[in-house]
Amino acid sequence: AQSVTQLGSHVSVSEGALVLLRCNYSSSVPPYLFWYVQYPNQGLQLLLKYTTGATLVKGINGFEAEFKKSETSFHLTKPSAHMSDAAEYFCAVSARNDYKLSFGAGTTVTVRA
Amino acid sequence: DAGVIQSPRHEVTEMGQEVTLRCKPISGHDYLFWYRQTMMRGLELLIYFNNNVPIDDSGMPEDRFSAKMPNASFSTLKIQPSEPRDSAVYFCASSFSEPSYYGYTFGSGTRLTVV
Repeated sequence: AQSVTQLGSHVSVSEGALVLLRCNYSSSVPPYLFWYVQYPNQGLQLLLKYTTGATLVKGINGFEAEFKKSETSFHLTKPSAHMSDAAEYFCAVSARNDYKLSFGAGTTVTVRA
Repeated sequence: DAGVIQSPRHEVTEMGQEVTLRCKPISGHDYLFWYRQTMMRGLELLIYFNNNVPIDDSGMPEDRFSAKMPNASFSTLKIQPSEPRDSAVYFCASSFSEPSYYGYTFGSGTRLTVV
């Protein structure tokens, strides 16, 4: 079975500072990995995903994530936070022969002016 | 494309009443998922369909919950009778033929409050 653990339920950053959201996965097979963002009162929106190939994945809104197999991690970063990045972020994992995504508990990001 | 469309956006009902949530997936997507989101339990998969057929309903909490997909463009999630502990945001999501590869497209959700 696949699962993800997001470290830190709440992250607060200053505008312009680095955003780092941590995600570690557990999977018995090579996984597919995803980051989703949820703005208040909205559904989840796909930020980026890792399937195969390059381990550094770039997504929308300036976010990127790096797949590190040796560390079983898929941390999300953005070099410079913007006020509009305030949202909840979910890491998710699936197996290549499965149809279900397993989501982490989420990390809420607040951005200080 | 209008995306995944859910209705209603908000629903307030009294305990014991029947509640029906609706979802229109993206045209051409052949997988449909129903999720429930609560503060305590996060995102939980309730049931998913492939080509209108229910594949895995192991996440449906009780017999009070039922879901149908009569055609490729419509699905319902019904709760009868509703209870206060059913209060949550219910999301519908759809995907192309390999959900694990493409990921899901989520609707905006239905916020259900049972009083």
